[in-house]
Amino acid sequence: QKEVEQDPGPLSVPEGAIVSLNCTYSNSAFQYFMWYRQYSRKGPELLMYTYSSGNKEDGRFTAQVDKSSKYISLFIRDSQPSDSATYLCAMKAGGFKTIFGAGTRLFVKA
Amino acid sequence: NAGVTQTPKFRILKIGQSMTLQCTQDMNHNYMYWYRQDPGMGLKLIYYSVGAGITDKGEVPNGYNVSRSTTEDFPLRLELAAPSQTSVYFCASSSQGDSPLHFGNGTRLTVT
Repeated sequence: QKEVEQDPGPLSVPEGAIVSLNCTYSNSAFQYFMWYRQYSRKGPELLMYTYSSGNKEDGRFTAQVDKSSKYISLFIRDSQPSDSATYLCAMKAGGFKTIFGAGTRLFVKA
Repeated sequence: NAGVTQTPKFRILKIGQSMTLQCTQDMNHNYMYWYRQDPGMGLKLIYYSVGAGITDKGEVPNGYNVSRSTTEDFPLRLELAAPSQTSVYFCASSSQGDSPLHFGNGTRLTVT
């Protein structure tokens, strides 16, 4: 079993839709949770960084962490074609080792 | 600020050849990392460094070597390239161990 599971998609939505991206994990020691966005032929860029459980909002993006269910989510409101990318979840127990999900490909159609 | 810069962007190698992937960062980060990204497999850690002169193996170090003589630079060496090393390689850095990673734009390597 992988430490972090993420549906690879692709996920295709119309412009303006609310997008929900999710990851599940098995290691209860994880306490730092991240979402990265990766455009084609580019490196991952950090979108959201949260510690422990709860919600964090940044503009159209909201990250949720439910440690009791070992489940994290990223919501994108009013999705735009420019949001089309691969979204990677990532997490750490502490220290340097980051475990990444395989990524979900998102297409937002104009 | 350029962030993390990787060169070259693309490279094709023949089996058995060697090459060095270059990585430099201008954020004065102590921690630097090399990952490879294969389709559907996520990012796998090859090597990491916690400061100049200190390096250690990650999950998939076989076939690679690194050095860290300065804070800024963290080159990755491939010796005797094999088709299994065909991948996209990303260098990343972080200010502290539990800080998020900053990535370069990758080197696409094909070994034929």
